[in-house]
Amino acid sequence: NAGVTQTPKFQVLKTGQSMTLQCAQDMNHNSMYWYRQDPGMGLRLIYYSASEGTTDKGEVPNGYNVSRLNKREFSLRLESAAPSQTSVYFCASSEGRGPAYNEQFFGPGTRLTVL
Amino acid sequence: AQRVTQPEKLLSVFKGAPVELKCNYSYSGSPELFWYVQYSRQRLQLLLRHISRESIKGFTADLNKGETSFHLKKPFAQEEDSAMYYCALSGRWGSSGSARQLTFGSGTQLTVLP
Repeated sequence: NAGVTQTPKFQVLKTGQSMTLQCAQDMNHNSMYWYRQDPGMGLRLIYYSASEGTTDKGEVPNGYNVSRLNKREFSLRLESAAPSQTSVYFCASSEGRGPAYNEQFFGPGTRLTVL
Repeated sequence: AQRVTQPEKLLSVFKGAPVELKCNYSYSGSPELFWYVQYSRQRLQLLLRHISRESIKGFTADLNKGETSFHLKKPFAQEEDSAMYYCALSGRWGSSGSARQLTFGSGTQLTVLP
């Protein structure tokens, strides 16, 4: 099993450009998440999807949109990138129910730079 | 609002010395707390959770509701323990407050010196 995969690994954008970060999991998990990691800030939740067909805002949703395409895939879109969105982006997934509710499995991250 | 505070950004100890990574939280309900770890060039992964009351890789953490703390401890640090450690709290998110999600602290970079 690959676990959680993310593409691309690295990306450089110019201000105003758009892009979509892709995430997929092969663990049949119900819940999926997008975080950003900034120096000194830890991980902050951007959006999450508690189950297929639902999405909800996290702590820092402004400037982002998400799509839960199916149970496996959860994409994050930047419509008009800004330098403040320079960060490392992590996707994660979890069972979303039962004793392992909050054990989240993380992808390798996407390092995004906006010039 | 829920908050997790890790007061030390950096912590260095010598091999064989005890180590304690501090975590304090703010949450109005009954908290669930976790420690996640990220080793160099590896993914972030769960280390332990308070409800399991387990010891993983020699690490333990006790939830102290009176002091609202969940410090991570190990009596004898090893060089392979060098990593970034995040404390996380599970609390309710969303407009209805029905979903439980993780709030992470800012992390502590632990370096174990030879």
